[in-house]
Amino acid sequence: DIQMTQSPSTLSASVGDRVTITCRASQSISRWLAWYQQIPGKAPKLLIYKASSLESGVPSRFSGSGSGTEFTLTISSLQPDDFATYYCQQYNGYSTWTFGQGTKVEIK
Amino acid sequence: QLQLQESGPGLVKPSETLSLTCTVSGGSISSSSYYWGWIRQPPGKGLEWIGSIYFSGSTYYTPSLKSRVIISVDTSKNQFSLNLSSVTAADTAVYYCARNNVVGPYDYWGQGTLVTVSS
Repeated sequence: DIQMTQSPSTLSASVGDRVTITCRASQSISRWLAWYQQIPGKAPKLLIYKASSLESGVPSRFSGSGSGTEFTLTISSLQPDDFATYYCQQYNGYSTWTFGQGTKVEIK
Repeated sequence: QLQLQESGPGLVKPSETLSLTCTVSGGSISSSSYYWGWIRQPPGKGLEWIGSIYFSGSTYYTPSLKSRVIISVDTSKNQFSLNLSSVTAADTAVYYCARNNVVGPYDYWGQGTLVTVSS
């Protein structure tokens, strides 16, 4: 099974800060990685797919990069609506999909 | 606009079978472009992929639940279903249904439904 490990688990930041979250895969997944944002009580929302493609309607302050086993999600200037939990997900191949354990972005 | 809606009992007794249905509206579950999946989230914890199904009936399950899970599809009703047998308190979670492109992320999600396992 492909395991996904995110870091950090929790991140404290202020409005306007640049924030970076890392996701590592236990084996190469090429660029088959997505990032989601989840607000408490709501379903996850797709932000980024194929490692760096921005989903329609998602603000351009969100960006993704990486390939193989190491990936990053960057928020260029943190906004009040961005305080949430972020998950990476691999979808390499057709048989299994795996999520990272999540990164909670808190107000500093 | 595609919509997914989970339905089923909110309370299940230990050792019994959890059964949920996801009704898809605004699009066809028979499209060859998509998989339909179930994801769960225990209270205060992260997301866990349970499994997925193709309109043809091909299924894929996470190894840790494979012995207890059955996902099925009813194309005539535009629905797919989750059965999880021999449940314990550890299966208490919000259960989401979602859609993904073949080789793609989950782009449409249901609102989620909380299922509690308790006697």
